[in-house]
Amino acid sequence: QQQVKQSPQSLIVQKGGISIINCAYENTAFDYFPWYQQFPGKGPALLIAIRPDVSEKKEGRFTISFNKSAKQFSLHIMDSQPGDSATYFCAASRRGGGSNYKLTFGKGTLLTVNP
Amino acid sequence: DGGITQSPKYLFRKEGQNVTLSCEQNLNHDAMYWYRQDPGQGLRLIYYSQIVNDFQKGDIAEGYSVSREKKESFPLTVTSAQKNPTAFYLCASRRAMNTEAFFGQGTRLTVV
Repeated sequence: QQQVKQSPQSLIVQKGGISIINCAYENTAFDYFPWYQQFPGKGPALLIAIRPDVSEKKEGRFTISFNKSAKQFSLHIMDSQPGDSATYFCAASRRGGGSNYKLTFGKGTLLTVNP
Repeated sequence: DGGITQSPKYLFRKEGQNVTLSCEQNLNHDAMYWYRQDPGQGLRLIYYSQIVNDFQKGDIAEGYSVSREKKESFPLTVTSAQKNPTAFYLCASRRAMNTEAFFGQGTRLTVV
């Protein structure tokens, strides 16, 4: 059972363009939605995260848009740069004890920004 | 410097052998995780632990075992029962629920 579905699997964008990656979740108990960035051979690192009490969060060129009714959230990278070329993962988790400590990831999007 | 240390970075194992991957953190985090990464499969959860001496199976626990005897350490053993162990293994930790997870640099395991 895939609880977080991510698309597209790969994305090619020109320098200066907007990169958009989408995720959809099934469990309405999820209430924490982070995005991670991973460079080849390295561990993922947190990029930006959102909680469902807001519809948008912006940090520099990175913005998360959140649609609670549609159970979807997306990452927008404005003015994409070649240095942004990496794999991006969305994830979700929920409050509470026990199995709620699980952090579930999407399958990832390989972003290539051409110069 | 605080962080998560995985060792070794590269590991080769003969078929039929057990092998243990190390994960140590000095962030004073309660929760620790092991993920497996394969091309096109994302990060799949193997085991996780909320507290010392307690751990739960993730989505793909078969053929793996863990222990959590100390808060700082969460070693993963890949047993001979794991049919396809060649993969990139990532360890992570976080302070509490719904907080940032910090990842190690990974261990690439190859069965030869």
